[in-house]
Amino acid sequence: EPEVTQTPSHQVTQMGQEVILRCVPISNHLYFYWYRQILGQKVEFLVSFYNNEISEKSEIFDDQFSVERPDGSNFTLKIRSTKLEDSAMYFCASSRLPTGEQYFGPGTRLTVT
Amino acid sequence: LAKTTQPISMDSYEGQEVNITCSHNNIATNDYITWYQQFPSQGPRFIIQGYKTKVTNEVASLFIPADRKSSTLSLPRVSLSDTAVYYCLVAPMDSSYKLIFGSGTRLLVRP
Repeated sequence: EPEVTQTPSHQVTQMGQEVILRCVPISNHLYFYWYRQILGQKVEFLVSFYNNEISEKSEIFDDQFSVERPDGSNFTLKIRSTKLEDSAMYFCASSRLPTGEQYFGPGTRLTVT
Repeated sequence: LAKTTQPISMDSYEGQEVNITCSHNNIATNDYITWYQQFPSQGPRFIIQGYKTKVTNEVASLFIPADRKSSTLSLPRVSLSDTAVYYCLVAPMDSSYKLIFGSGTRLLVRP
């Protein structure tokens, strides 16, 4: 069964550093998403992406964040200058259609020190 | 987006049927109801989605009454591995479908 994969599984970085989180969505999916979950809190929507454009972004997704689909398989989330409060689990998801049936990756745990 | 209300937690025993009800009184005509499951330190996993009446797949059933103001996720014969958080989400299908998660229902299945 096809899966969404994410790398790295755990990233530790210092405050102010740039990080890039990588995702490989399911190959025939066209819609891509990033979510995050701070420890013990709800899963929060960050951004949706379709046809090489951001479809929608949340208030969390400020100028420090960017997304890119650099080739036909990868989908990345970049945080330019990390803050302590960016520490969270980041989940990538993809879907074939714009529906509620999204497939999530295993997540990248980002720890900012 | 329609607000959802579901129990904070539920307990069950192995082999029992578990029904988790979600209230969504202000659901809109074009809203769909979707349920997800999440294990600790894992990404949410899609369980089932429906619009009205009953939907069944190999994992669960979803019952939606005619007024659509609530829905019930039914898990037949749960096992210990069904211990997880279950989320009810209500949203329209549109060009930038985003999932808005609430706090979910923490289901504990006991031996």
